[in-house]
Amino acid sequence: QSALTQPASVSGSPGQSITISCTGTSSDVGGYNYVSWYQQHPGKAPKLMIYEVSNRPSGVSNRFSGSKSGNTASLTISGLQAEDEADYYCSSFTSSSTVVFGGGTKLTVL
Amino acid sequence: QITLKESGPTLVKPTQTLTLTCTFSGFSLSTSAVGVGWIRQPPGKALEWLALTYWDDDKRYRPSLKSRLTITKDTSKNQVVLRMTNMDPVDTATYYCAHLTVTNWIGGLGQFDYWGQGTLVTVSS
Repeated sequence: QSALTQPASVSGSPGQSITISCTGTSSDVGGYNYVSWYQQHPGKAPKLMIYEVSNRPSGVSNRFSGSKSGNTASLTISGLQAEDEADYYCSSFTSSSTVVFGGGTKLTVL
Repeated sequence: QITLKESGPTLVKPTQTLTLTCTFSGFSLSTSAVGVGWIRQPPGKALEWLALTYWDDDKRYRPSLKSRLTITKDTSKNQVVLRMTNMDPVDTATYYCAHLTVTNWIGGLGQFDYWGQGTLVTVSS
């Protein structure tokens, strides 16, 4: 069970859009529409931002959106704000009925 | 309102067994389409899924740690307990429990929509 692959870091200026990728295999990301994205601020618990590839929980800004193509899922944040600076993790269920997380991406708002 | 809170020792010695308790409110683990999972995060590192238990008593474990992990639920106490044997310094991490909303009953698939605050466990002699 290998971790999903995410870029270690991404950055953008306020107001810009950024995209974080999450690459897996046909046994996880590519095989199921159960990709979730979590935001984690330093010292805090993760917060669910996107579930089932592209659904937003109630209360999450519509600046956050998700998509998937093949074995790669993506999280896009539009209209970057300072408060978006955090670590972001993707996760997926697998064909083995387990859960796998990505290695995490640090978002810096310049 | 769903809340979860982890409790257990902050320091364990190598080779000891770690027992963590997740006490929750706002839902019942006897209700369909619900699960509770454990996820850990070593200092400065990524999240790592450990185990899941479901309303129907289905249990799942991280393959590489399966021999060391046991997850149990006590629906009367609204608690889920994780036991990890033979602790090692590399197991030093913040351990989180999280509520899983299941939307695919066949595979038990869903998302961790509520998380506890986490508890830091240090493994050292």
